[in-house]
Order: sequence, then C-alpha cells, then structure tokens
Amino acid sequence: DAGVIQSPRHEVTEMGQEVTLRCKPISGHNSLFWYRQTMMRGLELLIYFNNNVPIDDSGMPEDRFSAKMPNASFSTLKIQPSEPRDSAVYFCASGAGANVLTFGAGSRLTVL
Amino acid sequence: AQSVAQPEDQVNVAEGNPLTVKCTYSVSGNPYLFWYVQYPNRGLQFLLKYITGDNLVKGSYGFEAEFNKSQTSFHLKKPSALVSDSALYFCAVRDRTPLSGGSYIPTFGRGTSLIVHP
Repeated sequence: DAGVIQSPRHEVTEMGQEVTLRCKPISGHNSLFWYRQTMMRGLELLIYFNNNVPIDDSGMPEDRFSAKMPNASFSTLKIQPSEPRDSAVYFCASGAGANVLTFGAGSRLTVL
Repeated sequence: AQSVAQPEDQVNVAEGNPLTVKCTYSVSGNPYLFWYVQYPNRGLQFLLKYITGDNLVKGSYGFEAEFNKSQTSFHLKKPSALVSDSALYFCAVRDRTPLSGGSYIPTFGRGTSLIVHP
C-alpha cells in the first residue's frame, strides 16, 4: 500500500492565482480529513468527509476555500483566489472507521 | 465537546535519560486516545493508542503511554531517549460515542517539540 498520496508536494504561486491540492486516500478508508499546519496556528482541521460526504466544514477559513470528494479514491482542496496568508503545509489524512488516521506527506504551499 | 492540552511547547532531554511528554484531555464520554509523531518535512505518523483494557499502552520505537482516568491524562514516555526521537509529538482524543451519522472527528493538541541532546 502506497499510503495516502498527496500532490503536489510543493507549490509556489502568486497572490490571486487558483491553487488545487489533491489527495488519494488509502483504499477502503471511509473517512478523509484535510488539515492545515502553520507555526502560528498549529494543526487545524479544515474539512472532514465520511463516505465521500462532507460532514464538518466549519474549519474552512472562508469562501475562497472549497473541497470536494467526487469518489472514494480522490479529493481536492481548492483555494481561489489565493493569498499570502494561505501559505502553509496542507495535509490529507484518511481512516477506516473510528480509529487511527494515516497522513499524507503534505503539500507545502507558498503564496507570494 | 472534546479538547486536548499539551502544556509544554518544547521538552529538552539528554540522550539516555527518560522522557515524558504531557497530555491532558477532556471529553463528554469515554475517550479514545492517540499519540502521533511528526518528523521534519513529513506527515504525522501513528505511535500508539488507548482504546480499552490495560492503562499502560506500548507503541512503536519503545514509546509507551499511561491512561489515567482520574487525572484525565495520557502522558507519553520512554525510558531512554535517543537523538533520533527528536520530533514534534501530537496527542489526540475522540469520544467513543460517534457523531450523528456514525462519524468521528479527533481533536489534536498543538504539539510538543521534543529535543534530545547528544
């Protein structure tokens, strides 16, 4: 099993551009989480999907952020338009049922 | 509501000495408790969990944690620290009772940076 796969690993973009981050969860996992990690705010939950359905998106900062999970093997997190304060490492994690989460390696986003 | 507190931003220990990384939690019901480790430029990796049974839980890389219900704590310990243990450690909790629809959302602490000096 290749684990949770995220792409791109690094993204540098200019303010105002659209950014799309991608995640392939572990096959068979029914929960998917998007987190954002910064030095200032630590690890923040952005959105949680269960069986491809968004259950809790209260952590999504504002309307510029959107996430989709069209099927059990793929999810995207989109930022449009991006701003410098969106610079962070974005993690996707998946889990089976109720317990341990498996995290991807993260996508490091820098918005200039 | 559920919450996790990791009172120390950083823990420093000499190699070969025992280490403790503290975690306290709050849940409305009974907890499931977890420790994760994050090495530089990597995602979080699972270390160990407490679900039920023995209060002392053993995990990867020689780490262990003790569930203390009366003190609502789940401190991470290791008898002899290694320089390679230097990393960021996260405690997480979730209530055993699922949310409506059968879903679960864990709450993570802010993390504690463990630095092991040679």
